[in-house]
Amino acid sequence: ETGVTQSPTHLIKTRGQQVTLRCSSQSGHNTVSWYQQALGQGPQFIFQYYREEENGRGNFPPRFSGLQFPNYSSELNVNALELDDSALYLCASSLPLAGGIWSYNEQFFGPGTRLTVL
Amino acid sequence: GDSVTQMEGPVTLSEEAFLTINCTYTATGYPSLFWYVQYPGEGLQLLLKATKADDKGSNKGFEATYRKETTSFHLEKGSVQVSDSAVYFCALTNAGGTSYGKLTFGQGTILTVHP
Repeated sequence: ETGVTQSPTHLIKTRGQQVTLRCSSQSGHNTVSWYQQALGQGPQFIFQYYREEENGRGNFPPRFSGLQFPNYSSELNVNALELDDSALYLCASSLPLAGGIWSYNEQFFGPGTRLTVL
Repeated sequence: GDSVTQMEGPVTLSEEAFLTINCTYTATGYPSLFWYVQYPGEGLQLLLKATKADDKGSNKGFEATYRKETTSFHLEKGSVQVSDSAVYFCALTNAGGTSYGKLTFGQGTILTVHP
């Protein structure tokens, strides 16, 4: 069983640029969540995708956007990069329980993409 | 909104010492509680979980009990090893009427174990 993979591992961009991060979910998982982990902080929820639709969003501006593809892989796009966007970006995949009860899902995390904005 | 608070500051212990990392939470409804561990240069790994009050999660010698009356989920281990050195995150997920289960994390506690 293949785990969650993310690419690239590291990325350096300059302020104002755009970036795309990629995530392949664990086999059979149709739900992908993205988190931002600033240095020394806990991860913060960005958004979640389920069956190619955004299914929930945290407190992040619209310049953070995403996609989910039919094979359940996902992209996180960030436009107009700011210095504060420098962080580790984590992707997690999961399965929803029958009946849409989400509280007890186990989310499986990838190793993350380290983004540095100069 | 939901929130998780972990004890402040790094924890430094000698091998075989007893470990406690405190975690308290604020949430409506019936959240599920988790401890995740992050080793240097790696992503998050689920260490243990508890889905209802009085449940005890356990794994690799670590334990935590879901205490609804004190809104706590403290992590304990009787005898730590050098290999336990990592960052530990307390987290909760709470559907609370939504259709998605985001994780809300504490700020993390750095554990360093010396031989």
